[in-house]
Amino acid sequence: GQSLEQPSEVTAVEGAIVQINCTYQTSGFYGLSWYQQHDGGAPTFLSYNALDGLEETGRFSSFLSRSDSYGYLLLQELQMKDSASYFCAVCMDTGRRALTFGSGTRLQVQP
Amino acid sequence: DAGVIQSPRHEVTEMGQEVTLRCKPISGHDYLFWYRQTMMRGLELLIYFNNNVPIDDSGMPEDRFSAKMPNASFSTLKIQPSEPRDSAVYFCASSFRTGGNEKLFFGSGTQLSVL
Repeated sequence: GQSLEQPSEVTAVEGAIVQINCTYQTSGFYGLSWYQQHDGGAPTFLSYNALDGLEETGRFSSFLSRSDSYGYLLLQELQMKDSASYFCAVCMDTGRRALTFGSGTRLQVQP
Repeated sequence: DAGVIQSPRHEVTEMGQEVTLRCKPISGHDYLFWYRQTMMRGLELLIYFNNNVPIDDSGMPEDRFSAKMPNASFSTLKIQPSEPRDSAVYFCASSFRTGGNEKLFFGSGTQLSVL
């Protein structure tokens, strides 16, 4: 089948590091994307991994393992403003160039 | 660039009424997507266009939903007649495909409430 799995909620404290995992099953794969959405806001693009390995952008990093159909988003030096929902997303098949989003992980950063 | 522009920001209507949501993509983008977001179903793709042509409308819930893109700078999503279960946030997004990078730019969304 085709699916995306990610945890529904994660809680962490300011200054800590948190990892949000995502596993996927698709009939075709281009890459794994991550989006952030604050309450009442729109999703915004964070990162994209097409190849295996770690991509770093400031405090955020994203990792992909194509052989394991697995990726994660790593948030370092957490700040209160990082409290949001985080979605992983993939194209579900080679003929459908549109993103399917996971159900989202709600991150709560506590003081 | 002003980003993806959606209107209205909020829409409250009664069951049975026609609702039209509007979207202006980012200039130069060749893909346009309509998504719907609810607590129960998350972010669902409804339909997407490439160069103004509908490519995949398999996510459109039923015939009450229709979408058009008459030109590169404008798209509409219409619900006729509307039902309470259509209540959701509707997002429009656009992108310019370079390689396989799936970077979507979302509008602010339309919060639709059908009473």
